[in-house]
Amino acid sequence: AQSVTQLDSQVPVFEEAPVELRCNYSSSVSVYLFWYVQYPNQGLQLLLKYLSGSTLVESINGFEAEFNKSQTSFHLRKPSVHISDTAEYFCAVSDSGGSYIPTFGRGTSLIVHP
Amino acid sequence: DAGVIQSPRHEVTEMGQEVTLRCKPISGHNSLFWYRQTMMRGLELLIYFNNNVPIDDSGMPEDRFSAKMPNASFSTLKIQPSEPRDSAVYFCASSFRQGGAETQYFGPGTRLLVL
Repeated sequence: AQSVTQLDSQVPVFEEAPVELRCNYSSSVSVYLFWYVQYPNQGLQLLLKYLSGSTLVESINGFEAEFNKSQTSFHLRKPSVHISDTAEYFCAVSDSGGSYIPTFGRGTSLIVHP
Repeated sequence: DAGVIQSPRHEVTEMGQEVTLRCKPISGHNSLFWYRQTMMRGLELLIYFNNNVPIDDSGMPEDRFSAKMPNASFSTLKIQPSEPRDSAVYFCASSFRQGGAETQYFGPGTRLLVL
């Protein structure tokens, strides 16, 4: 069985400051890792995902995440946040062994203050 | 593509009434998921269909909940009878199964309030 831990339920930050949202997972097999974002009153949408290859993956809006197998982590970072980045961020893991059902973390609320 | 379509977007009902939530997945997707989101419990998977067949319904809270997928373009989640603790946002998501690497596409959700 796999699990995902997002240690921070809420992360307040000022605009243009850097931010890191933490995600740790546990799994006995190889994994695929995802970050989804949920803007207010909307469904979740994919931000980025790691499948294989380079351990650093980037999104089109400046976020990046690094897969660290030894630390079983997939932290999300952005060097300079905007007000519009205020949202709930979910880390998810699915195993490559074939259950095909991703496990989502509890989410981290990123609050960007002007 | 219109994305995943859910209806209604909002539902207010009284305890004991039947509630039916509807979902139209993205055309060509072969997997469909129903989730429930609350502040207390976060995002919970209720049921997962693949090729219209229920594969995992271990997340369905109790017998009051049922889900169907009569064809590849339509699914329903029914609660009968509804209770105040069922109040939540219910999401439908679809994907094209790719061995776990697939992206899930979520609908806008149905916000259910049971009085």
